[in-house]
Order: sequence, then C-alpha cells, then structure tokens
Amino acid sequence: EAGVTQFPSHSVIEKGQTVTLRCDPISGHDNLYWYRRVMGKEIKFLLHFVKESKQDESGMPNNRFLAERTGGTYSTLKVQPAELEDSGVYFCASSQWGGRNEQFFGPGTRLTVL
Amino acid sequence: DAKTTQPPSMDCAEGRAANLPCNHSTISGNEYVYWYRQIHSQGPQYIIHGLKNNETNEMASLIITEDRKSSTLILPHATLRDTAVYYCIVRMGVETSGSRLTFGEGTQLTVNP
Repeated sequence: EAGVTQFPSHSVIEKGQTVTLRCDPISGHDNLYWYRRVMGKEIKFLLHFVKESKQDESGMPNNRFLAERTGGTYSTLKVQPAELEDSGVYFCASSQWGGRNEQFFGPGTRLTVL
Repeated sequence: DAKTTQPPSMDCAEGRAANLPCNHSTISGNEYVYWYRQIHSQGPQYIIHGLKNNETNEMASLIITEDRKSSTLILPHATLRDTAVYYCIVRMGVETSGSRLTFGEGTQLTVNP
C-alpha cells in the first residue's frame, strides 16, 4: 500500500512568487492534515480536511495560504504571494475516520523563499 | 490539548533499552497519550498510544502512571536507526476521530554504537 506522497520534495522560489504544494493521502483516508515546521520552530498544525470539507483551518497563518481538496482525494496548498518567513518544511498527513486515529505523514516539501 | 514536558535530549547505547519520560500533569480523563518520532528529514511516524493501561506493540512499550500524570516510552533494544526526535502528545483519542496533533519540542534521542 502506498503511503502519503507529497510533491515537490523541494521548491525554491523568490519572494512574491506563487507556489503550490500537493499531497496525495493514503487511499480511503477521509482525514487530511497540513502541518509545517518553519526554521527553528516546532511542527505546527495548519488545517484539517474531512473529505472535501475544511474541518479546522484555525492554524492557517494568513490569507496568503489557500488549501483545497476537491473531490476529497488529493489536496493542494497554495502560497501566494510567498514571503521569506514561509520557508520551512510542509508536511501532509492522513488518517482513517474512526479506528485508532493514527496519522500517517508524508516526507514533506521543503520550501525555500529567497 | 494538555501540555507535555520532555527532556530535550537523551543518549542510549545500542542494544540497550531507551526509556523516554514525559510529564503531562494536566491531562484530562478522556485524553490519550500518543508518541510519534521524526527521523531526520522524514515525516513524523506514529509509534504507540494509550489511555491508562500499559501498551506494547512491535515498536515499543508505553507505561502510564496510575494517576496518568506521566508516562514512559520504552524502546527495548535501541538501534542506531532509532536515533530521532521523539514527541509525546496528549490529545483526544479515537472517540473524536480526526483531531490535530500538537507537537512540542520533543526529546532528541541519540543511540550510540
């Protein structure tokens, strides 16, 4: 069974540009989460989808971040326009509804804003 | 979610047991203790979780004190591949499926040859 996949693995962009990160959860997982770790800080929650609906987006830092999950499968996280402080590693995780609620994480996307 | 306190770093000799402590004195009755780890440059990985009874799986054992104010994650025979940051997280468990993980700073475990 394939795990959570994220694309790209690395992205280097200039301040003011737009970047879109993609996450493919484990098939059948209704819950999808985005987290990020910015330099020197702890891993922080960004938002949570249940299928295509945003269940909790309280961790989104500002309106430059837009997450979507059309059709309840893969998700995208767009940063527009990117700022220097957005640099970090963005993780996606998925879990089944019910069960032991174990979250499976992807390898992350390392974003560098110059 | 209740706050947790972990030592910032620990060392362990390869082949020996690694015992990682966690304090969670404000845990509420319906909150579980979860452990995750992050090996360098990878995404966090689930290890184990428990409510009040001790738990064991193929990766580790979790010992929760009777008052539930602290717990210990035990890796019975640590290997070099167990070098990672270990996170103790207290959160609502399976009854409220789909809730965020709140990561602290964790414990950097270094397994030495």
